[in-house]
Amino acid sequence: EAEVAQSPRYKITEKSQAVAFWCDPISGHATLYWYRQILGQGPELLVQFQDESVVDDSQLPKDRFSAERLKGVDSTLKIQPAELGDSAMYLCASSSRGLTDTQYFGPGTRLTVL
Amino acid sequence: QKEVEQNSGPLSVPEGAIASLNCTYSDRGSQSFFWYRQYSGKSPELIMFIYSNGDKEDGRFTAQLNKASQYVSLLIRDSQPSDSATYLCAVKGGNQFYFGTGTSLTVIP
Repeated sequence: EAEVAQSPRYKITEKSQAVAFWCDPISGHATLYWYRQILGQGPELLVQFQDESVVDDSQLPKDRFSAERLKGVDSTLKIQPAELGDSAMYLCASSSRGLTDTQYFGPGTRLTVL
Repeated sequence: QKEVEQNSGPLSVPEGAIASLNCTYSDRGSQSFFWYRQYSGKSPELIMFIYSNGDKEDGRFTAQLNKASQYVSLLIRDSQPSDSATYLCAVKGGNQFYFGTGTSLTVIP
């Protein structure tokens, strides 16, 4: 069964350092999402790609966060510099075009900023 | 601001009982509705989706949608301890998904 891949699964870093997360969506899925989930809350959309184009990045803190999906396949989310408040689960999801556009999530990256 | 509201719980049911999880949403233009299960420390896992008024059944799970009341629910029949998790309601409006904060369910053996 096809799955969304993410790496790393866990990342511990010190504040002011740079971190990067990678996501490979399910093959053929045109839409890719990056979410941040803080413990006890629902996922919050950071950025949404349709192929290689950004569809929505209104909630992305652009002073420190960046995301790219250069060839419309895999994607990278970067934080520079990391802050204590960035500690969270970073989730990648993908969906295909269709009536429901069902999202499937990867395993996530647990980030801890010290 | 498009909102999705869920009772955070915790909801406790005995093993074998029916668990009922509820979700309301603010955007009448919402098109599709999803239920995800999330175990502690894990990512959300899709249980089922629904986009037409009425009931949709999949095994022990039934999703119910009432667009007039802006209400979607998930029933879990014959609840098992392995169903203990947080259940996230997600609503699709336009190009974006909106998530509730989740309801924590505990099934007591």
